[in-house]
Amino acid sequence: ELKVEQNPLFLSMQEGKNYTIYCNYSTTSDRLYWYRQDPGKSLESLFVLLSNGAVKQEGRLMASLDTKARLSTLHITAAVHDLSATYFCAVDQNSGGSNYKLTFGKGTLLTVNP
Amino acid sequence: NAGVMQNPRHLVRRRGQEARLRCSPMKGHSHVYWYRQLPEEGLKFMVYLQKENIIDESGMPKERFSAEFPKEGPSILRIQQVVRGDSAAYFCASSPTSGRRYEQYFGPGTRLTVT
Repeated sequence: ELKVEQNPLFLSMQEGKNYTIYCNYSTTSDRLYWYRQDPGKSLESLFVLLSNGAVKQEGRLMASLDTKARLSTLHITAAVHDLSATYFCAVDQNSGGSNYKLTFGKGTLLTVNP
Repeated sequence: NAGVMQNPRHLVRRRGQEARLRCSPMKGHSHVYWYRQLPEEGLKFMVYLQKENIIDESGMPKERFSAEFPKEGPSILRIQQVVRGDSAAYFCASSPTSGRRYEQYFGPGTRLTVT
């Protein structure tokens, strides 16, 4: 059974600081997804990492993937209050068909304080 | 191109009633996934459907839950005889018929409250 673990689950940061969220998964997968969810809202796709060594950046967020270590990181640079949200990583178990069902981590609740 | 639509956005049911949740995928999408988010938890996969077919229902509870995606109309997740433990946010996601089929677009969710 595929397991996805995120840490930390809770992260309180000061504005302007840097931090990293980690996502480990238990079985081989070539795709890793990061989503953001604001309270009471839906999931917004941030990144889809498609191969070993993939790195993507958008604004103050940068995500990377190491498929050999089964590890992805989401790095936050110079945090601002608007980044406060819950961040989920997810992995699919597709092995060639059309089924890309996702297994999610429990999420990291990020609070950025002034 | 309208995004994934779900309705209702909020649904209140008494114990024992039925809940019907609807999901209209994006145009050009023929794959639909349903996920459930219990309070303070991440999302859990429930079922994956294509038009007129259930492909993977490994995440569906064995009783009271069913899903369909007819040739015409939205996908429907049906919960019979709801219990308090069914209170959750239910999200559907759709993905393209061809091309980047791994890319799932999430709807706004239906928040079900069972009283």
